[in-house]
Amino acid sequence: GAGVSQSPSNKVTEKGKDVELRCDPISGHTALYWYRQSLGQGLEFLIYFQGNSAPDKSGLPSDRFSAERTGGSVSTLTIQRTQQEDSAVYLCASRKTGANTEAFFGQGTRLTVV
Amino acid sequence: KQEVTQIPAALSVPEGENLVLNCSFTDSAIYNLQWFRQDPGKGLTSLLLIQSSQREQTSGRLNASLDKSSGRSTLYIAASQPGDSATYLCAALSLGGNTPLVFGKGTRLSVIA
Repeated sequence: GAGVSQSPSNKVTEKGKDVELRCDPISGHTALYWYRQSLGQGLEFLIYFQGNSAPDKSGLPSDRFSAERTGGSVSTLTIQRTQQEDSAVYLCASRKTGANTEAFFGQGTRLTVV
Repeated sequence: KQEVTQIPAALSVPEGENLVLNCSFTDSAIYNLQWFRQDPGKGLTSLLLIQSSQREQTSGRLNASLDKSSGRSTLYIAASQPGDSATYLCAALSLGGNTPLVFGKGTRLSVIA
């Protein structure tokens, strides 16, 4: 595709349910990042992938959060037993390897836990 | 650990003014620095990327500079327009590139017609 694609664009879930968020990076981009943004706040780093491995998952808030990436392409972020504080916009970005390569963001998934 | 700060947090200017947004970072061992724009309820749009070996980059009315020795980058917007109203974020990528982008909290810009 032309850009980073995230699905769903909006998700409303009940507290305690599991959710899966998907990110399709730009083809050929080896680096993939997940961030989240709570209302009116800055970007909070969650996890970073280089290929299929995650050199840095230090930002995952708790063991309810996990992410994987397969085939060096699609990534899924899974939140188990969702809580109201998980409500936020989850943003994904991808980047080619190299110093002169921009990171490009998807439009995000707005997660609301009720 | 890299930390990125953006000052001011918010800025309001009349249309037509030239303005400067500031970004500072604590670790000068960066790979590159990227400026983004975010409109309300939207994702981030890339504006400019400056490699560590460069001093500035220009795109239209935007000019971004980088001074690694002082740990600063600035985004200059010439002849501001109401359509420039958005939140502007800078992000540093540390040397090696095998690290996450570290973001500042952004500057919320309002250009008043």
